[in-house]
Amino acid sequence: GENVEQHPSTLSVQEGDSAVIKCTYSDSASNYFPWYKQELGKRPQLIIDIRSNVGEKKDQRIAVTLNKTAKHFSLHITETQPEDSAVYFCAALMGYGQNFVFGPGTRLSVLP
Amino acid sequence: EAQVTQNPRYLITVTGKKLTVTCSQNMNHEYMSWYRQDPGLGLRQIYYSMNVEVTDKGDVPEGYKVSRKEKRNFPLILESPSPNQTSLYFCASSLGGAPNQPQHFGDGTRLSIL
Repeated sequence: GENVEQHPSTLSVQEGDSAVIKCTYSDSASNYFPWYKQELGKRPQLIIDIRSNVGEKKDQRIAVTLNKTAKHFSLHITETQPEDSAVYFCAALMGYGQNFVFGPGTRLSVLP
Repeated sequence: EAQVTQNPRYLITVTGKKLTVTCSQNMNHEYMSWYRQDPGLGLRQIYYSMNVEVTDKGDVPEGYKVSRKEKRNFPLILESPSPNQTSLYFCASSLGGAPNQPQHFGDGTRLSIL
């Protein structure tokens, strides 16, 4: 079946540094790519998303880039803060169905 | 307040005893979905529904059933639960007939099957 790979699985950065998480997907027909943040014991919450007709999207300290040719997309967090510590999941909407496939997650730790 | 409500939040039960996890949303969303979350595997989609009476399998549908008789409700049914279905389950919904809209997740249901 289709899959989404996500790297790294864990990431530690110093407060104020940038963090980058990368995902690759297998279905070339995928057209929607959301990113979710999940704090310990909480529900996943959407932080940013991008559609296939756009190459980059930014929302304050968070940005997502999409390379459709290479079938990968990345989350960029600048000026990281301790409250950014969480597990981040990327996902891809499969093109021919209407189902989502999630990456396995990245545990981000922002060290003060 | 816009929300997705799941019940129960926690359940411990035994193998083979049928159970239902309810999911209700008050946002008039058309797309609803169930996921299970297991350590190291992320979220895996079990079933989804594009609208009333329209459901389809996700990546891991074995051992589960769903129904969508009303727009607001999307229950997950385990006819004969087994220990490998012990997991954290999330229901989600999103606006529009196409699912390429942000999904709103419920608070989760932690199931333990003994």
